[in-house]
This record gives sequence, C-alpha cells and structure tokens, in this order.
Amino acid sequence: KNEVEQSPQNLTAQEGEFITINCSYSVGISALHWLQQHPGGGIVSLFMLSSGKKKHGRLIATINIQEKHSSLHITASHPRDSAVYICAVRPARSYNTDKLIFGTGTRLQVFP
Amino acid sequence: DAGVIQSPRHEVTEMGQEVTLRCKPISGHNSLFWYRQTMMRGLELLIYFNNNVPIDDSGMPEDRFSAKMPNASFSTLKIQPSEPRDSAVYFCASTFDRGLYEQYFGPGTRLTVT
Repeated sequence: KNEVEQSPQNLTAQEGEFITINCSYSVGISALHWLQQHPGGGIVSLFMLSSGKKKHGRLIATINIQEKHSSLHITASHPRDSAVYICAVRPARSYNTDKLIFGTGTRLQVFP
Repeated sequence: DAGVIQSPRHEVTEMGQEVTLRCKPISGHNSLFWYRQTMMRGLELLIYFNNNVPIDDSGMPEDRFSAKMPNASFSTLKIQPSEPRDSAVYFCASTFDRGLYEQYFGPGTRLTVT
C-alpha cells in the first residue's frame, strides 16, 4: 500500500462545478504539499500546509492531521484547471530529511 | 528571478551514451532536488543537496547515475551509460532551508534513450 493515496485517480467535471480531490497518508508528517502539473509538463506548487486551511483564489486546501487526510477544493471550476494534481508529504520520522513522498496524482478534466 | 532553469529541455540519445542534465536553482535557495517522473512510477526523488552537500541519494537507481553540486548555483545529473529504461522526465527543484518552504520546480528535461 502506498504511503500517500489520492482519490479519485481521474475526475471529469463541467465548467462551474465544485471539485474535491482527496489525499490520505499513513505516516506522520511535518508538511503536506499540493502540486499542479499541466499537460505541458510543468509542475507548480499550489500549497504547503501543516495544519488548518489555506485559500488562494478559487483553490482551497485543508488538512486534518489527526485523520491523516487532506483535501483540495476548486470552486467554480474552469477548463484551464484541467491538470494533474499531486499530493506529497514530508515525513516527520526524520527531521533531517527533506524527502517528499508523492501520491500518484489525480487527473482532472474540466469541460466547457 | 527566472525560476529554476534546466537544460536541455529535450534530449534524445542512443543506448550506451553519456547524458548530462543541468540545473540552476533559484538564487538564495540552499536545497536542490532531482526527481524523475515516469508513467509507471510517477514522481520519485533521486537525490537532494543541502548547502551543496548530498544529503540523501537513496533514490539514485544504480551506479550509472551520479549527481554533483559544485556550487550553490549549479548542479548536474549524469547517466553513464544510458539505457532505454532511463527514458523519463527529469525535474530539478529548489527551496530554502530544509523544505520548510515550498519547492519550486524547473520545467524538466524530457530524456529519450533509444
């Protein structure tokens, strides 16, 4: 079993829909990252969080440390949101490492 | 800042040839990461440096892979000899001080070994 699991693997939505992508992990962590990878291949860091909630424009990321779960929400989705969204965690088991463990990604397609 | 710079963006080479990928991190960042992305395995950390020193190279597949960071503004990832299974996109990322900050990714180098 992967240490970082994402669901769903694939997601299709109509423009304007509210979207939720989930990430569950099995290790103690010091931080969790949400990354976005567009069809062109570039990777952009959307959020890094260790507790609570962060918001940037139409994107909201939440994390529940006790439940080892994070969600990425997109409000009023748009075709330009079509991308692969990747969850990654920084384990707390060693404070001397910056190693990230990646989920396999969620492929989102938003149709007009 | 121009962001993380990688070169070349695309590389096609024949099996057995040496391949060198280059990365220039964001100025002021002191941690640098090399990742490999394939359809089968997703994103994997190969090696990372902190203050130019390799900290964790446990992800380096085998002795054919080597990485160096001679100074704070430059790193290389070398594959010698290359094999078709090395075909992947290789990303370099940088951040400041032990990953407590977001990582900034370069555009990647798409490597094809025939």
